[in-house]
Amino acid sequence: AQSVTQLDSQVPVFEEAPVELRCNYSSSVSVYLFWYVQYPNQGLQLLLKYLSGSTLVESINGFEAEFNKSQTSFHLRKPSVHISDTAEYFCAVWGYGGSQGNLIFGKGTKLSVKP
Amino acid sequence: DAGVTQSPTHLIKTRGQQVTLRCSPKSGHDTVSWYQQALGQGPQFIFQYYEEEERQRGNFPDRFSGHQFPNYSSELNVNALLLGDSALYLCASTLWRNNEQYFGPGTRLTVT
Repeated sequence: AQSVTQLDSQVPVFEEAPVELRCNYSSSVSVYLFWYVQYPNQGLQLLLKYLSGSTLVESINGFEAEFNKSQTSFHLRKPSVHISDTAEYFCAVWGYGGSQGNLIFGKGTKLSVKP
Repeated sequence: DAGVTQSPTHLIKTRGQQVTLRCSPKSGHDTVSWYQQALGQGPQFIFQYYEEEERQRGNFPDRFSGHQFPNYSSELNVNALLLGDSALYLCASTLWRNNEQYFGPGTRLTVT
């Protein structure tokens, strides 16, 4: 079984400041890792994913996340946030092998970017 | 290329009633999963359909049932609605055994 912990339920930050959204996971099998973003009254959009290879993955809009196997973490970072980044961010794991094959989500972190 | 679509957008039901939610997957996808997102929570996996069969199920009672049609679209049925069933219901589609799921905008169900 897998579980995901997002350590911060809300993160307020000023525009152009850096931000880190923390995610830790536990799993008895190998996993793929994902970050999804949810804007108000919308569904989930995939932001970035780690499957294998380089432990640092990047999105097209400046976010990056680093897979740390020893610390079972997949924290999301952005060096300079914009007002438009205000949204809720969900970390998720996908356990593969055997009968696994669905996403397990954390409870989400609400990022609020202030001018 | 249409993405995942869901209907209706919003729904209000009374306790004890039954509800059916619908989902059309992204073009080319053959697998549909359903998730429940309660207020302030992350999405929770309900079940997954492939080749018109339920392939995986999360920790939900059998009041929650589903169906997949030959055109890969899917329905989620919930019987004997409880107040606690109020949530955003998300449909996601993918290719079988693929890990990248595409989500629809969701159906907001309110049970009064």
